[in-house]
Amino acid sequence: DAKTTQPNSMESNEEEPVHLPCNHSTISGTDYIHWYRQLPSQGPEYVIHGLTSNVNNRMASLAIAEDRKSSTLILHRATLRDAAVYYCILSGMGSREAKLIFGTGTRLQVFP
Amino acid sequence: AAGVIQSPRHLIKEKRETATLKCYPIPRHDTVYWYQQGPGQDPQFLISFYEKMQSDKGSIPDRFSAQQFSDYHSELNMSSLELGDSALYFCASSLNGGYTDTQYFGPGTRLTVL
Repeated sequence: DAKTTQPNSMESNEEEPVHLPCNHSTISGTDYIHWYRQLPSQGPEYVIHGLTSNVNNRMASLAIAEDRKSSTLILHRATLRDAAVYYCILSGMGSREAKLIFGTGTRLQVFP
Repeated sequence: AAGVIQSPRHLIKEKRETATLKCYPIPRHDTVYWYQQGPGQDPQFLISFYEKMQSDKGSIPDRFSAQQFSDYHSELNMSSLELGDSALYFCASSLNGGYTDTQYFGPGTRLTVL
């Protein structure tokens, strides 16, 4: 399984944009980039995913480098509710079903 | 919208006892995944089922077994419980189970082994 590298922690102030980086230099051509987050005492929650093009949804944006060796999750205006551990996960055609291999993730703290 | 349901939410067992955790996926979802999250750790994949057949297996101890039933709910059976089995157990479901599909997680079952 291709490996991802994320900073252990990041901080932000409320209502500021947050850019969460992820390195995945060994990504294969068919690997999708997924982002999940886990709020305290809750199950992981899907945020966004993409393959090559940048993606936007109501929660966040995903910017994917042209060589696909890195990506950035963008929260446009952080709220206190966005304080969570964010996981960048790759999944590809290795198996019919897509187990998620969680790394250490980035713990995001949001200050009022 | 309906979410993934897990029961029980909390379970306390003694060493060497058995435990059964249940997972009810979102309606029409045919794929179920089980994850284990130890204290201060990240979730680890245990096992998955697609259309009632085991589809993938992770670091699941031989003492654990699981199955998916005809109504797509799944049960994780844990025997000869050890202190190290104390963890949060999450179930997730997806539609079709493809590697691009979103997994929807339940609230988890907190298992405490004394």
